[in-house]
Amino acid sequence: NAGVTQTPKFRILKIGQSMTLQCTQDMNHNYMYWYRQDPGMGLKLIYYSVGAGITDKGEVPNGYNVSRSTTEDFPLRLELAAPSQTSVYFCASRTGRDDQPQHFGDGTRLSIL
Amino acid sequence: GESVGLHLPTLSVQEGDNSIINCAYSNSASDYFIWYKQESGKGPQFIIDIRSNMDKRQGQRVTVLLNKTVKHLSLQIAATQPGDSAVYFCAENSGGSNYKLTFGKGTLLTVNP
Repeated sequence: NAGVTQTPKFRILKIGQSMTLQCTQDMNHNYMYWYRQDPGMGLKLIYYSVGAGITDKGEVPNGYNVSRSTTEDFPLRLELAAPSQTSVYFCASRTGRDDQPQHFGDGTRLSIL
Repeated sequence: GESVGLHLPTLSVQEGDNSIINCAYSNSASDYFIWYKQESGKGPQFIIDIRSNMDKRQGQRVTVLLNKTVKHLSLQIAATQPGDSAVYFCAENSGGSNYKLTFGKGTLLTVNP
C-alpha cells in the first residue's frame, strides 16, 4: 500500500493565484485531516472529514476550502493565495476505530510570493 | 495558547545513551496521546501511543509514560542511534470521537556518534 500520497511536493504561487493540493489514501480510512506546519512549529488543523460528504473546520480554516466526494480523496483548495499561507501542508488519515493514530503524507511545500 | 508544550526544544545525546523527551499538556479531558517522529523533509511518523487509562506503554526501544496528576507525558528512547535524530512531537486528542489532534512545537533530538 502507498498510504497517504500528496501532490505536488513543491509549488510556488503568486499572490492572488489559486490552487488545489491533492491528497489520496488507499487504506480505506474514513477520517482525513489537513494540517499546516510553519517553521519551527507544530502542526495546526485546517479542516477535517469523518467520511465522504462530511467536512468540518479545524483551528485555522480561513482562506481554505475542502471537499470529500470519495473516501480516498480529500483535496484542499486555496482560492486567493496570500503570503501568510506560505507553509508546509500535511494530509493525514485514520481508521474510524477508537484510539488509532493518524498516518501522514510527506507534505506539500508551498511558497507564495 | 497551545495546550501541548515541550520542556526542552533541543536535546543532544551521545550514541548509545538513553534519551528522554518531555511534554506537558493542559487539557485534563484529553484521553489519547501520541508521539510522532519527523525527519527532515518528511511527514510525521507514528512512534507510540497511550490511552489516558494507562501509565506506561512500551514499544521497541521506546517507552511512553503518562502522569495525569501533573499532566505530563514523556518519551524514552533506549540506546539512542544516529537514525533517531529528528524532531519529536507529542500530540493529544482534544477532539473527542473525531480525534482532532493538538500538537506541541516539537523537540529536536541530535544523536552524536
